[in-house]
Amino acid sequence: QKEVEQNSGPLSVPEGAIASLNCTYSDRGSQSFFWYRQYSGKSPELIMFIYSNGDKEDGRFTAQLNKASQYVSLLIRDSQPSDSATYLCAVKWRDAGGTSYGKLTFGQGTILTVHP
Amino acid sequence: EPEVTQTPSHQVTQMGQEVILRCVPISNHLYFYWYRQILGQKVEFLVSFYNNEISEKSEIFDDQFSVERPDGSNFTLKIRSTKLEDSAMYFCASSGTLGDTQYFGPGTRLTVL
Repeated sequence: QKEVEQNSGPLSVPEGAIASLNCTYSDRGSQSFFWYRQYSGKSPELIMFIYSNGDKEDGRFTAQLNKASQYVSLLIRDSQPSDSATYLCAVKWRDAGGTSYGKLTFGQGTILTVHP
Repeated sequence: EPEVTQTPSHQVTQMGQEVILRCVPISNHLYFYWYRQILGQKVEFLVSFYNNEISEKSEIFDDQFSVERPDGSNFTLKIRSTKLEDSAMYFCASSGTLGDTQYFGPGTRLTVL
């Protein structure tokens, strides 16, 4: 059973600080990793994706992937009150032949609150 | 910017009734998905659909559920005989390829009484 785990929080940071969100996953097979943001009552909105070990930056967001530790994280620099939301980590696995079936497996999400 | 749309935004139904949730995926996308999210819980995969057939389905997607692409733009999820536990947000998503990012629609909130 492939699982994705996140600390549900809530994580509270002051405006302007760095928010660090973490995600672990259960299976070492080949994967792609996605971070979505979900405001209350709304649908998941893609922030960024990462496929390879290391860091990937997009504006204020940096995704970090460590496949050996089965760990992916999202850093939000200069956090703003508008960043307050639930952050969802999602993993897409491939089979041994490299085929992806498209299914995203989500973690339970981390609630982030950025206070002024 | 192209987006996935869903109708209705909120559907209230009586237990045992059939409901059809509708989605219009992004126009040049080929892969379509349904997910659901029970209040306070994880987003869960239901089914993926490509080339007019189901590619993968979860254990949640039992015989009560079906999907269809009735024309070139719509993608529907039918629940034949709704149960109380079917109450959830249902999200449609689409992607250009299997490996691509999935873009989610705004969701349909289904309430089964």
